[in-house]
Amino acid sequence: NFMLTQPHSVSESPGKTVTISCTGSSGSIASNYVQWYQQRPGSAPTTLIYEDNHRPSGVPDRFSGSTDSSSNSASLTISGLKTEDEADYYCQSYDTNNHWVFGGGTKLTVL
Amino acid sequence: VQLVQSGAEVKKAGESLKISCKGSGYTFSNYWITWVRQMPGKGLEWMGVIFPRDSDIKYSPTFQGQVTFSGDKSISVAYLQWTSLKASDTAIYYCARLRREGDGVDVWGQGTTVTVSS
Repeated sequence: NFMLTQPHSVSESPGKTVTISCTGSSGSIASNYVQWYQQRPGSAPTTLIYEDNHRPSGVPDRFSGSTDSSSNSASLTISGLKTEDEADYYCQSYDTNNHWVFGGGTKLTVL
Repeated sequence: VQLVQSGAEVKKAGESLKISCKGSGYTFSNYWITWVRQMPGKGLEWMGVIFPRDSDIKYSPTFQGQVTFSGDKSISVAYLQWTSLKASDTAIYYCARLRREGDGVDVWGQGTTVTVSS
């Protein structure tokens, strides 16, 4: 079964840059789009990045997405960290049956 | 454009349940709706998708046979139902609109909390 692996948690200081990885267990992560979702405590998820590196309107350009075929991974980079960025972040892609697969989520602490 | 889900439910194991997701501000039948489960303190799990125009449905293997998706395009509502709840169905359930088939979400519902006691 195709899986996406994310670090359980990351932490960084306000104003800094953090990168969250999302590694595919097999195949090529580049052959399917990757999305990134943010979920603040007690709230529904929101979409940060779609189709690997596109931001919906209203998402600040501090958030960016990328993929790397050589490491079979996708990354979410958040620059100029703010305390409001404290949240859980999930990557999402597809398996060979076009079924969705979520990563396990990464808890970002901004301290 | 928004998706508004029905309110929290408290049920007993063995009971049936149907929760709803109502779309507004767009042509409901033209967009796929996905359902996502989040168990207490856990991550997001994909349950499947439904296309309201023709009720084309794809279930995650994990949820196939455990739940039923349906929709009523005349009133712009998608449904998620159980015939016999288990305590392990306790979770928040989110509906969400897909940008297009095979793409990610552009609009999320607020979630429906389902609590099942044994």
